[in-house]
Amino acid sequence: NAGVMQNPRHLVRRRGQEARLRCSPMKGHSHVYWYRQLPEEGLKFMVYLQKENIIDESGMPKERFSAEFPKEGPSILRIQQVVRGDSAAYFCASSQGQPANTGELFFGEGSRLTVL
Amino acid sequence: GQQLNQSPQSMFIQEGEDVSMNCTSSSIFNTWLWYKQDPGEGPVLLIALYKAGELTSNGRLTAQFGITRKDSFLNISASIPSDVGIYFCAGQGGTSGSRLTFGEGTQLTVNP
Repeated sequence: NAGVMQNPRHLVRRRGQEARLRCSPMKGHSHVYWYRQLPEEGLKFMVYLQKENIIDESGMPKERFSAEFPKEGPSILRIQQVVRGDSAAYFCASSQGQPANTGELFFGEGSRLTVL
Repeated sequence: GQQLNQSPQSMFIQEGEDVSMNCTSSSIFNTWLWYKQDPGEGPVLLIALYKAGELTSNGRLTAQFGITRKDSFLNISASIPSDVGIYFCAGQGGTSGSRLTFGEGTQLTVNP
């Protein structure tokens, strides 16, 4: 009965380093979403992926950020050359079917990135 | 892009009181959802609404999808201490496509 699994739960990086956040969707789910949450704020959409395809990346910063969802393995959110402003909680969510049929996204517990 | 205005930003109530919070949007959503987030955790889905005018209950929670598809409210009856947390509304569909657009949240504090 595993839900959406994210790791690491906490990650500390120095400015200029790379951060890799991983997300395994719920069993049977093939749609993955990444959201970012700054302290005291709501969640902001970053990217929507299906297996091997980026469907909507309109919320992703143009530089330093990338995401993938390979045929095998978890989805990866990669942040290169991190800056202090990247410090946030990054949440992954998954869904089973086409978003038009269900809005029910299930979220992981998040990965909290701190950039020193 | 689409934005959701959620109010109030915070609420301080006594245990046993009823709570009401709402969300409005300048544009239409096809689906409204209400999530609760506890500190250090991810959002957990409380109620999903798919039809304009729909009224749905989940235990002590009741939510309605506005007729215009531009608003929704969430009521919590007979609050208990474990209701403490941040409640987010989220809209999906319309010009936002498949992604969820979240409100800024309502922080609920319940005093025993």
